[in-house]
Amino acid sequence: ELKVEQNPLFLSMQEGKNYTIYCNYSTTSDRLYWYRQDPGKSLESLFVLLSNGAVKQEGRLMASLDTKARLSTLHITAAVHDLSATYFCAVDIMGGSQGNLIFGKGTKLSVKP
Amino acid sequence: EAQVTQNPRYLITVTGKKLTVTCSQNMNHEYMSWYRQDPGLGLRQIYYSMNVEVTDKGDVPEGYKVSRKEKRNFPLILESPSPNQTSLYFCASSNRYTQYFGPGTRLTVL
Repeated sequence: ELKVEQNPLFLSMQEGKNYTIYCNYSTTSDRLYWYRQDPGKSLESLFVLLSNGAVKQEGRLMASLDTKARLSTLHITAAVHDLSATYFCAVDIMGGSQGNLIFGKGTKLSVKP
Repeated sequence: EAQVTQNPRYLITVTGKKLTVTCSQNMNHEYMSWYRQDPGLGLRQIYYSMNVEVTDKGDVPEGYKVSRKEKRNFPLILESPSPNQTSLYFCASSNRYTQYFGPGTRLTVL
């Protein structure tokens, strides 16, 4: 059974600090996604990581993928309140066809002044 | 504007009363899917469709049906809803690289 595990599940940060969210998965996949969800809203695509060693950055967020370790990280640099949300990683289990995704349980991030 | 739409956005119903949640996308995507989101469980896939008339079960298909008669539409059917199907439902459509999610349907079954 494929498992996608995120940690931590809850993260309370102070503004200006750095932190990393981890996403481990239990089967071979070379395609991993990160999403953001604000309370009461839908999911917003952040990053698509398509190969081993892939690194993507957008603003204060940087995502990376190590397919050999079956690990992806989402690094937050100098957090600001606007980053408060729930972040999900998801693994594509159909060999990169078109999105049969298994999601982690999400990391609820709260950034405090 | 490229989008995935769902209707209704909110629905309260009673046990056993058949209902359909519609999903439509205007991006000409072949791949569509349905998820449910429950606290502490994340998103779990219910059904997916790789093209017209091609559907398959996801992780939690029991109690649900789908159909894909047109490329743009992928309705979710609950023939006899039960309280354990109270959840937040998302439809999504995909291109090669990204899934685009609809706004969600919050369903309560009494």
